[in-house]
Amino acid sequence: EIVLTQSPATLSLSPGERATLSCRASQSVSSYLAWYQQKPGQAPRLLIYDASNRATGIPARFSGSGSGTDFTLTISSLEPEDFAVYYCQQRSNWPPAYTFGQGTKLEIK
Amino acid sequence: EVQLVESGGGLVQPGGSLRLSCAASGFTVSSNYMSWVRQAPGKGLEWVSVIYSGGSTYYADSVKGRFTISRDNSKNTLYLQMNSLRAEDTAVYYCARARGGSYWYYWGQGTLVTVSS
Repeated sequence: EIVLTQSPATLSLSPGERATLSCRASQSVSSYLAWYQQKPGQAPRLLIYDASNRATGIPARFSGSGSGTDFTLTISSLEPEDFAVYYCQQRSNWPPAYTFGQGTKLEIK
Repeated sequence: EVQLVESGGGLVQPGGSLRLSCAASGFTVSSNYMSWVRQAPGKGLEWVSVIYSGGSTYYADSVKGRFTISRDNSKNTLYLQMNSLRAEDTAVYYCARARGGSYWYYWGQGTLVTVSS
């Protein structure tokens, strides 16, 4: 079973600052990694898929990078609406399973 | 427009059963990978089960043997039959539709299941 570990657990930043969130896999997932944003009381929203591709309608300030076991989600300049919890997710091929990281809470400093 | 609407949540006693429904519109459930993902109060996301377009089904170890995912093509609806419920199954349950087979692009609003005596 592949385990995804996100860091930090909480990130305190101010609007306009750059945010860097990390996701580490216990074994290689190639580039098959996604990032989601979740706000309180809402369903998750897919931001990034295949490690670096933005989903439809996602602003360009969100970018993803990495491959293998180490991945990064970068928000270039934080907007007030970006403060939320972020999850990474991967799919194991066999048996099929979908694993989420434990989440990083991005809070306003 | 793609829409997913869950229903069927509620309060159930430990050991009891519940069936969740996810009514889909704007696309065909049977042509897509569909999943259930849950979130315990104040906790992170946990994948529960998936049904592929070909009909294959898979489950997280935590629910294997207790939960069953299925779909009704005539109703364009996804289901999750949950038996032998435990307190640790308490969560908001989301249904989701995949994009590309590996990621969950469309989500419902969730339905809360509370297992308590």
